[in-house]
Amino acid sequence: DGGITQSPKYLFRKEGQNVTLSCEQNLNHDAMYWYRQDPGQGLRLIYYSQIVNDFQKGDIAEGYSVSREKKESFPLTVTSAQKNPTAFYLCASSTRPNEKLFFGSGTQLSVL
Amino acid sequence: AQSVTQLGSHVSVSEGALVLLRCNYSSSVPPYLFWYVQYPNQGLQLLLKYTSAATLVKGINDFEAEFKKSETSFHLTKPSAHMSDAAEYFCAVSEAGGSYIPTFGRGTSLIVHP
Repeated sequence: DGGITQSPKYLFRKEGQNVTLSCEQNLNHDAMYWYRQDPGQGLRLIYYSQIVNDFQKGDIAEGYSVSREKKESFPLTVTSAQKNPTAFYLCASSTRPNEKLFFGSGTQLSVL
Repeated sequence: AQSVTQLGSHVSVSEGALVLLRCNYSSSVPPYLFWYVQYPNQGLQLLLKYTSAATLVKGINDFEAEFKKSETSFHLTKPSAHMSDAAEYFCAVSEAGGSYIPTFGRGTSLIVHP
């Protein structure tokens, strides 16, 4: 089945640690996105990529980094510079940005 | 610049009653508009999408939304609520000025009482 897979489902970060969230899709989509979800704040865009080896910052990119070395993969690293990383992180993909987004099931990141 | 406002962080209805979830958008050009649903601890799923082909858009599970340009609104309705409709609902806008990257509203939590 085609879809988008996020792992792990739950992740814990220690002080000063970088952690990486995985996002893989087998839908052959060009565009991929990372959103952060906090209660009552909706989805806020962290980074997006419209093509391999290219990505752009979203509204809240500070403290995060991404790579897009393969079409199917778009990992997100939460760095130690992100002082409030506790949130639900959602990865999505689409054929083009104005088309339907397909979402993964999310990763809940918490701080120890 | 594009933006989305969802009125009401929570909406409570009785089972069988009409569901109305409000969405107003701000866009300098004709936008694409979407409604997504999110069940607890899951990703979002598309309910319906407006692409200018018709102002009344029908989606899955008997949901529909009407695009009203004069009111810059795209409200979501369902004639009769079911317990399984309890979820978080998000409106999103996509337009050329924002490189078509979707902007989401803050979401509305639909509560359905028996």
